[in-house]
Amino acid sequence: DAGVTQSPTHLIKTRGQQVTLRCSPKSGHDTVSWYQQALGQGPQFIFQYYEEEERQRGNFPDRFSGHQFPNYSSELNVNALLLGDSALYLCASSLGQLSTNEKLFFGSGTQLSVL
Amino acid sequence: GQQLNQSPQSMFIQEGEDVSMNCTSSSIFNTWLWYKQDPGEGPVLLIALYKAGELTSNGRLTAQFGITRKDSFLNISASIPSDVGIYFCAGQLFGGGADGLTFGKGTHLIIQP
Repeated sequence: DAGVTQSPTHLIKTRGQQVTLRCSPKSGHDTVSWYQQALGQGPQFIFQYYEEEERQRGNFPDRFSGHQFPNYSSELNVNALLLGDSALYLCASSLGQLSTNEKLFFGSGTQLSVL
Repeated sequence: GQQLNQSPQSMFIQEGEDVSMNCTSSSIFNTWLWYKQDPGEGPVLLIALYKAGELTSNGRLTAQFGITRKDSFLNISASIPSDVGIYFCAGQLFGGGADGLTFGKGTHLIIQP
């Protein structure tokens, strides 16, 4: 039973570029959430996707956007990259939009470095 | 928005010692969670708490949901080398997964041989 898989594992970009990160949820899950974890900090909620729509959003600018596909996989897009966007980006999946938190499974993340 | 203050920031302990860490919030939460994160991995859920005053154990781990709903603590008894890692508290204001979790900054647990 595959868990949450994210790609790529590491990525280096320069300021102003755009980046796309990918996530495949755990088998049987239909909801995907994205978190940003800066060095030395806890994860911060970016947004959640359910039924191919953004359902909830944290305090992140519009440069951060996403998409969910019919197979429940998801992408996180960041435009006009800033140095401060350097972080570990975590994807978490669950079953159902209102599932309780013990059902939330995290991937290993994509480490993004912006130079 | 909500902020979680987690302490201590780091702990240096001897193997076999008990560990205690806590988390306080400026806002009320109705769910408290404790996660462990190893290097290069995502957080893994250790304990979930859903009711004020609740005390829950998972092996050598015990966590409590404060009665004010603004705090929680995690205890680890008889620490072993594999307990090394970063422990995060997380809270959620609403009952479902639709609202994202608010995480603390983590407690880095280091076990000295």
